[in-house]
Amino acid sequence: EAGVAQSPRYKIIEKRQSVAFWCNPISGHATLYWYQQILGQGPKLLIQFQNNGVVDDSQLPKDRFSAERLKGVDSTLKIQPAKLEDSAVYLCASSLLLVHEQYFGPGTRLTVT
Amino acid sequence: GENVEQHPSTLSVQEGDSAVIKCTYSDSASNYFPWYKQELGKRPQLIIDIRSNVGEKKDQRIAVTLNKTAKHFSLHITETQPEDSAVYFCADGAGNQFYFGTGTSLTVIP
Repeated sequence: EAGVAQSPRYKIIEKRQSVAFWCNPISGHATLYWYQQILGQGPKLLIQFQNNGVVDDSQLPKDRFSAERLKGVDSTLKIQPAKLEDSAVYLCASSLLLVHEQYFGPGTRLTVT
Repeated sequence: GENVEQHPSTLSVQEGDSAVIKCTYSDSASNYFPWYKQELGKRPQLIIDIRSNVGEKKDQRIAVTLNKTAKHFSLHITETQPEDSAVYFCADGAGNQFYFGTGTSLTVIP
């Protein structure tokens, strides 16, 4: 079984620029999560999708972050404009059901200079 | 729920000894409690999980216990090995919410 795929693996941008991350979950997994993991901290849930609908986005900074999962499969997370404090690893995870075992992708390490 | 406290933040044990990591939560609606292991530069991987209708679960050298009354759950690793060295995160799932603890950096000294 193929795992969760993410791209790019690394990204360096200047503050105020825009960036987008892509995630392809495990086939058949209805639930998709985006997390932000700042160095030395635990993952922080940004947004959770069930198929193509948003289940929870209470911790997503909506003034600059957006995410979509249009066809209920792949998802993109965008930051526009980026700030220095957005430097982190952005992890995508998927699970078969809500409140179920989550499988994480390799993450995208974002550095904002 | 939102407040998941994890202790200790760092833990060093001798190889062969046991390690215990504790988490407390505040949301009485929480019903799913996984533990993840994250090695340096790698993705978190689930090592064990427990649901609120169970008090204890064991998988070889790893066990998790849940005390719903006190709102805390613990990870127990017995006969620790150097490859157990990593950061361990607890998490707490309640409905649509999912919160991770702050992590415990475990070092197993050979």
